[in-house]
Amino acid sequence: ETVMTQSPATLSVSPGERATLSCRASQSVSINLAWYQQKPGQAPRLLISGASTRAAGIPARFSGSGSGTEFTLTISSLQSEDFAVYYCQQYNDWPFTFGPGTKVDI
Amino acid sequence: QVQLVESGGDMVQPGRSLRLSCEVSGFTFSTFAMHWVRQLPGTGLEWLAVMSADGFSQTYSDSVKGRFTVSRDNSRNTLYLQMNSLRPEDTALYYCVRVHREWMLRDYFDNWGQGTLVIVSS
Repeated sequence: ETVMTQSPATLSVSPGERATLSCRASQSVSINLAWYQQKPGQAPRLLISGASTRAAGIPARFSGSGSGTEFTLTISSLQSEDFAVYYCQQYNDWPFTFGPGTKVDI
Repeated sequence: QVQLVESGGDMVQPGRSLRLSCEVSGFTFSTFAMHWVRQLPGTGLEWLAVMSADGFSQTYSDSVKGRFTVSRDNSRNTLYLQMNSLRPEDTALYYCVRVHREWMLRDYFDNWGQGTLVIVSS
């Protein structure tokens, strides 16, 4: 099983600041890596697929990078609606696995 | 637009069974693989199972293999999760999820339902 880890567990930032979230896989997942955003009481929402491709309707301030085992989600200028939990997920092999999440708060 | 609506969640005693349903609309259900994912209270996400678009292939996580069975009725646009021998650690919010690309099992999730809550407690 591919174990996904995320850091930091919590990221405290101010609106307008840049946020950098990290995700690491225990073995290579190529670019089969997605990022999801989850707000309280809501289902996760796809942000990024293929490590770096923004999903439809996702603002350009969200960007993803990386391949193999190291990945990064960057939010260039945090807006109030971006405060949420962010999960990475590998879909390269079975079982699919998620990271434990990074909470971005004020 | 794409909609996925789960139902069937309930509070049950350990060892009992429950069947979840996920009714979909807004897309051609019969051409998309579908997955089940759960979220334990206050914690992260766990992938559980996938069923191919044609219903002939399934894969399960080790945590539910042998206890849970995924199925689908393409004529009813509905995905199911039969859960047997339930344990307290199965308490979670259960989501059905659609993949992005038709016919692909191993693909990212582009549409999620709102989830149905299962509580396993005596």
